[in-house]
Amino acid sequence: GENVEQHPSTLSVQEGDSAVIKCTYSDSASNYFPWYKQELGKRPQLIIDIRSNVGEKKDQRIAVTLNKTAKHFSLHITETQPEDSAVYFCAASRAGGFKTIFGAGTRLFVKA
Amino acid sequence: DTEVTQTPKHLVMGMTNKKSLKCEQHMGHRAMYWYKQKAKKPPELMFVYSYEKLSINESVPSRFSPECPNSSLLNLHLHALQPEDSALYLCASSQDPGLGSDTQYFGPGTRLTVL
Repeated sequence: GENVEQHPSTLSVQEGDSAVIKCTYSDSASNYFPWYKQELGKRPQLIIDIRSNVGEKKDQRIAVTLNKTAKHFSLHITETQPEDSAVYFCAASRAGGFKTIFGAGTRLFVKA
Repeated sequence: DTEVTQTPKHLVMGMTNKKSLKCEQHMGHRAMYWYKQKAKKPPELMFVYSYEKLSINESVPSRFSPECPNSSLLNLHLHALQPEDSALYLCASSQDPGLGSDTQYFGPGTRLTVL
């Protein structure tokens, strides 16, 4: 079945450093890749997304890259801040399907 | 209104109780979802409603019964739950179910504890 693998499961960085989270998907028909941030006890919130016709997208300190050939996509956070500490989920879905397949999550700790 | 709301925020119930979770959105979205999320795990899809019709049931036990009274409301009726059903129950909505590649917006969730 469809699967999204996410690495690392835990990431600890110093404030101001960059953080990179990587995901690999199995369904080659996937064409939409959202990233969600979930703080403790709160809802998952969309922080950025990318569609398969685009290779890279940036929004201030956050960027996402997509390699369709390798079926990889990555989240890059620059100049990390303590408030970036949360669990980040990557996900993949495709047109015509209702399912969003989530990665297992990455717990990001940003040390002040 | 760009939010999905859920009530109650917290629910404690016994294994013989019957309760309901409610979800509401006023964004004109035509797909609504129920997810279950255990601690330190990703959301796990339970049900999908598309244009008020049940489109997906991910082999969820019958003690969970979804209902979509209209395009803005989604309920989850609970009966004879087990302690292992304790989790955060998230509702989500998206604009057009036919697209699939469509952003889902999550509600704040209901934290359910089954005693």
